[in-house]
Amino acid sequence: EIVLTQSPGTLSLSPGERATLSCRASQSVASSYLVWYQQKPGQAPRLLIFGASSRAPGIPDRFSGSGSGTDFTLTISRLEPEDFAVYYCHHYGSSPLTFGGGTKVEIK
Amino acid sequence: QVQLVESGGGVVQPGRSLRLSCAASGFTFSNYGMHWVRQAPGKGLEWVAVISHDGSNKFYVDSVKGRFSISRDNANRTLYLQMYSLRAEDTAMYYCAKTAGRGHLDYWGQGALVTVSS
Repeated sequence: EIVLTQSPGTLSLSPGERATLSCRASQSVASSYLVWYQQKPGQAPRLLIFGASSRAPGIPDRFSGSGSGTDFTLTISRLEPEDFAVYYCHHYGSSPLTFGGGTKVEIK
Repeated sequence: QVQLVESGGGVVQPGRSLRLSCAASGFTFSNYGMHWVRQAPGKGLEWVAVISHDGSNKFYVDSVKGRFSISRDNANRTLYLQMYSLRAEDTAMYYCAKTAGRGHLDYWGQGALVTVSS
């Protein structure tokens, strides 16, 4: 089983600031199979990034993904008020599919 | 547009059974694999099961193997999760999700809450 470890657990930032979220895998993950989701309270997860770096349809270009092997990053270039949420990385390359524990981006 | 609507959640006693349904619309249901993912209250996401587009392949997380069964009815565009021998630790919001052409989960329903409690 591939374990995904996200850091930090909580990120306290102000609107307009840059957010950098990390996802580390316990073994190498093919970039094709690494995804990022955003989840707001009371809502289902929303797809942001697939294939480690491709934005899903309708996702603003302030969201970007990068990385390979065991280290992946989600960057939000300038935080908007609607970006404060929990973010999960996820791999689907092998069973069981797994999710990281999440990073909460909160307003400072 | 893609819509996934879960139903069948509720409060159930430990050891009992429950069946969740997920009604799909807005896409050719029979062309895509489908997943169940759950989220315990205040916790993170946990993948539960996947079924291939034609129902011929199914995979489960270890914690539900032998107790949960995923199935689908392509004629009626519906995904199911039959849950047996429910435990307190199965308490969660259960989401159905569609597999995109590239294999990732692209659309999710709003979830069905299952509470296992005596």
